[in-house]
Amino acid sequence: DGGITQSPKYLFRKEGQNVTLSCEQNLNHDAMYWYRQDPGQGLRLIYYSQIVNDFQKGDIAEGYSVSREKKESFPLTVTSAQKNPTAFYLCASSKRNSNQPQHFGDGTRLSIL
Amino acid sequence: AQKITQTQPGMFVQEKEAVTLDCTYDTSDPSYGLFWYKQPSSGEMIFLIYQGSYDQQNATEGRYSLNFQKARKSANLVISASQLGDSAMYFCAMREGEGYSTLTFGKGTMLLVSP
Repeated sequence: DGGITQSPKYLFRKEGQNVTLSCEQNLNHDAMYWYRQDPGQGLRLIYYSQIVNDFQKGDIAEGYSVSREKKESFPLTVTSAQKNPTAFYLCASSKRNSNQPQHFGDGTRLSIL
Repeated sequence: AQKITQTQPGMFVQEKEAVTLDCTYDTSDPSYGLFWYKQPSSGEMIFLIYQGSYDQQNATEGRYSLNFQKARKSANLVISASQLGDSAMYFCAMREGEGYSTLTFGKGTMLLVSP
């Protein structure tokens, strides 16, 4: 079955440490997205990519970085510059047409030790 | 101003009853789309229903329907015959423009279905 795989499910980070969240999709979608969700809040866009080797900042890109070297993969790095990284991170992908929904992975929960 | 407003932090409904979850939006783009997602406690986001700004009829998907009132800029989700498994967070989201567009999400409504 096609879908989006995020790993790991839970991740712990020490102060000053960079961590990378994985997102892989086999839906043959062109666009991929990263969202952050804080407790009791909606999703906020961190970065998105419409094609390989190209990506754009979302509303809260500071302290995060991404790459898109392959169509299937869109890893997110949470850098030490992100002062409040504890959150639930969701990756999504979508087809080209605008009326097509974004499909989501199961998320990664990041906590600071 | 918020682009997507969900004014109900929480809603309670009895099993088999219908429930309406409110969503109002703000955009000046004539082309937009409205999406509803369900998020169970496990965290995944499940797509429920879509309404395009040019669609003439309200969208329906099984027990889900969208009460789309364009002039009032509202896109309320109606769940008929609620089930215990409907207990979850529900998010309204909007896409503005054509092509690859990002989504703006509301803050969500927690729905609890009681036996």
